[in-house]
Amino acid sequence: DAGVIQSPRHEVTEMGQEVTLRCKPISGHNSLFWYRQTMMRGLELLIYFNNNVPIDDSGMPEDRFSAKMPNASFSTLKIQPSEPRDSAVYFCASSHVAGELFFGEGSRLTVL
Amino acid sequence: AQKVTQAQTEISVVEKEDVTLDCVYETRDTTYYLFWYKQPPSGELVFLIRRNSFDEQNEISGRYSWNFQKSTSSFNFTITASQVVDSAVYFCALSGSNYQLIWGAGTKLIIKP
Repeated sequence: DAGVIQSPRHEVTEMGQEVTLRCKPISGHNSLFWYRQTMMRGLELLIYFNNNVPIDDSGMPEDRFSAKMPNASFSTLKIQPSEPRDSAVYFCASSHVAGELFFGEGSRLTVL
Repeated sequence: AQKVTQAQTEISVVEKEDVTLDCVYETRDTTYYLFWYKQPPSGELVFLIRRNSFDEQNEISGRYSWNFQKSTSSFNFTITASQVVDSAVYFCALSGSNYQLIWGAGTKLIIKP
């Protein structure tokens, strides 16, 4: 089976631009997570979906960040407008057993 | 409050040496789960093991073994006969009554040839 698929793998953009990150979870997994990883802050949970419904978005930094999961096989994380401090690796993960997360390869975002 | 401490920021050993990565956790939950994840230089995070709080039996998988001791709130990870491919950042994590994983800061393991 294919793992979690994220796109793009790398994104370089200028401050103020809109960024959309995409994720296809593993088929059959009912939970989806968006994480952000930086050297300074480590791994941070941004938002968690269960059965396509956002359960906890308390980790979303601010209104510039939004996430959607229109169906069981697709999710997006959008940043608008982007800022240099948003530069990080963004991971999507899916799960069907609590805590056993399967991560994508990550999307490395650089905001200039 | 829940917390995971990985006191070793970085460990460097020569290939074929055994190495133990420490993990100490804090939780008030009586039912909880402990995890180890590996993040190789390529970047993706890989699930290694899940252990529930009622199962203190040690786990062995090839060269990897895990020692869970509730008395000391520790869940340590040992790699026997380390190999260069074991070089990675290793994260210990904890989950309690809810879904959320509490992550340690990670231990960077460097295996020198």
